[in-house]
Amino acid sequence: DAGVTQSPTHLIKTRGQQVTLRCSPKSGHDTVSWYQQALGQGPQFIFQYYEEEERQRGNFPDRFSGHQFPNYSSELNVNALLLGDSALYLCASRSNTGLLPLHFGNGTRLTVT
Amino acid sequence: AQSVAQPEDQVNVAEGNPLTVKCTYSVSGNPYLFWYVQYPNRGLQFLLKYITGDNLVKGSYGFEAEFNKSQTSFHLKKPSALVSDSALYFCAVRVIDRGSTLGRLYFGRGTQLTVWP
Repeated sequence: DAGVTQSPTHLIKTRGQQVTLRCSPKSGHDTVSWYQQALGQGPQFIFQYYEEEERQRGNFPDRFSGHQFPNYSSELNVNALLLGDSALYLCASRSNTGLLPLHFGNGTRLTVT
Repeated sequence: AQSVAQPEDQVNVAEGNPLTVKCTYSVSGNPYLFWYVQYPNRGLQFLLKYITGDNLVKGSYGFEAEFNKSQTSFHLKKPSALVSDSALYFCAVRVIDRGSTLGRLYFGRGTQLTVWP
C-alpha cells in the first residue's frame, strides 16, 4: 500500500520563475493538504483540497495556487518565485470521512536562487 | 487564537535514560493533539494522537504522551531512549477555522532530540 508520494524530490529554480509540485495521496484518501516547512521551522499550512476544490487556505499569497484532480492527486503551483519560497514542501492526505492523523509524503525540497 | 509551544529547541539524553519532549497548547474547544517525528530529508511520521479518553496515550516505537488539561500540556515521553530516536519532533494541534468544517494542523517549531550512546 503506497503512502503519499511527491515529485520531484529536489528542485532548483531562479527568482521570478514558476514551479509545479505534484502529490499522490495515500490509497483510500480523498483530501490533500500542502504545507511549507522553512528551515528551522515547523510546517505551515498552505491550503487543503477536497472534491477538486480549495476548501481552506492559510496565510499565503495568491502566488501559491493548487489543483486537485479526479483521481485525488494534487499539484501546488508557485508563481514569481522569491528567495523566501525556498523550503521543504510537504503534501499530506487523509480520508474526509475518517479521523486524523494526516499522512505526509517525504516532501519536495525547493531552492530558489 | 490557537498556538502550540515547544519550549525546548533541543533535548539531549543518554541512551537508556527516559526522555521527555515538552509541548503546551492553546486552542478553543476540545483539543485534538498530535506528535510527529521527522528524520533528516524526510517527511513527517505520525507517532500518536489524543482525541478523547485516557490521558496517557501510547504510540509508535514505544513513545507515549500525557495529556494534562489543567496545564494545557501534551508532553511526549519514552521510558528508555535509543540512539535511533534522534530526530526532530513536532507537536501539533488540530484547528478548525471559522466557516470551515475541515481541520488543519498547527505545528510547533519542533524539538531536536539527540540521544548519545
